[in-house]
Amino acid sequence: GNSVTQMEGPVTLSEEAFLTINCTYTATGYPSLFWYVQYPGEGLQLLLKATKADDKGSNKGFEATYRKETTSFHLEKGSVQVSDSAVYFCALCGDGEYGNKLVFGAGTILRVKS
Amino acid sequence: EAQVTQNPRYLITVTGKKLTVTCSQNMNHEYMSWYRQDPGLGLRQIYYSMNVEVTDKGDVPEGYKVSRKEKRNFPLILESPSPNQTSLYFCASSYVRGISYEQYFGPGTRLTVT
Repeated sequence: GNSVTQMEGPVTLSEEAFLTINCTYTATGYPSLFWYVQYPGEGLQLLLKATKADDKGSNKGFEATYRKETTSFHLEKGSVQVSDSAVYFCALCGDGEYGNKLVFGAGTILRVKS
Repeated sequence: EAQVTQNPRYLITVTGKKLTVTCSQNMNHEYMSWYRQDPGLGLRQIYYSMNVEVTDKGDVPEGYKVSRKEKRNFPLILESPSPNQTSLYFCASSYVRGISYEQYFGPGTRLTVT
């Protein structure tokens, strides 16, 4: 079945450092890919998405490119801020999946120090 | 304000005592879903509903029930809770429209079963 694997955390960075959170997936066909962010005490919010190969999703300085050849959707940001501290989830929705079902990775905790 | 609300936000209960967690959305979304979040496992889908009176099992439905009598509400019912259902629960909703929809999440309900 479909699955998502994320790098384990926590990831601890200093403010203005470069961020990469790796995400790879296993799925048949052409799934849609998502990054969700969960701030402390809150629900998940969609950060960015890509629905076909080579698409780049971007939002709030974060970017991720849908790489079909490496089955990856790595999250990057050039300069992190303390306010980016959160849990980040990579997720996919299978090609032709009935039910809008999202399959999530385990989540990666990001801590940014000032 | 567009939102998904859940109640209660925190609940401590004892084994076997029936409980209901409510979920309501004000965006007229057809699709609603329940997830549980456990450390190291990410979010896993419990049940989902494509519209009123249409529900189906997700990946981890055992021990849970749902109903969808109105479009805006999707309660999660634990008839006889057990300690392994201690978890953080999220309700989500979205439109059913292709593959680039966004799912909106509630703030979460932290359940402890002793």
